[in-house]
Amino acid sequence: EVQLVESGGGLVQPGGSLKLSCAASGLTFSGSALHWVRQASGKGLEWVGRIGSDADTYATTYGASVKGRFTISRDDSKNTAYLQMNSLKTEDTAVYYCTRLERSFYYDSSGYGYFYYMDVWGKGTTVTVSS
Amino acid sequence: DIQLTQSPSFLSASVGDRVTITCRASQGISSHLAWYQQKPGKVPELLIYGASALQSGVPSRFSGSGSGTDFTLTISSLQPEDFATYYCQQLKSYPYTFGQGTKLEIK
Repeated sequence: EVQLVESGGGLVQPGGSLKLSCAASGLTFSGSALHWVRQASGKGLEWVGRIGSDADTYATTYGASVKGRFTISRDDSKNTAYLQMNSLKTEDTAVYYCTRLERSFYYDSSGYGYFYYMDVWGKGTTVTVSS
Repeated sequence: DIQLTQSPSFLSASVGDRVTITCRASQGISSHLAWYQQKPGKVPELLIYGASALQSGVPSRFSGSGSGTDFTLTISSLQPEDFATYYCQQLKSYPYTFGQGTKLEIK
């Protein structure tokens, strides 16, 4: 069974830093792309960013609201991904989920390629930014 | 960035009803759309990917359709466990945006 377990959340002051971890099991970690999604209390889902697999040369991409402040990394020897959050703002307060991006090949009249989807989610870790 | 707009934002229905939720993309995304269900206090769960492919283990009363900019999620006969919030997500290009969500409540 594929499992993702986030940790590292907590209370931090505005302007502070926090590093979240996402420990994975039951999957070929180096071959898996991992994404971070957050959800403020009572609000919708917001895509934070991603780190690609080894085949994607571990490329990273970030959402506009966190770009330049957050950094995603991974340590394949530990089956763990990380979300380093700097210059935190009160609006970063949310539950942070780690997810696996899976893909499915398709071939139809329009051509061929892959459909991507987030099929495994961790239970999340809560980050509170407050003075 | 590609914007996704779901409608309605709130939906009240009864057990046994057929319900449809719409997701409209600000530009064409072919069939690169997924649907998720989230119950209160729980983690989002994948229902549909590729606009219409049912994720393994998801009941067949759930179905998805659409391509380009307009998509629908249909629940053919609502069950008590289906009352939740539903999100669409585009996975055509980064950032992988979500719709604002549709909260399905019991009438």
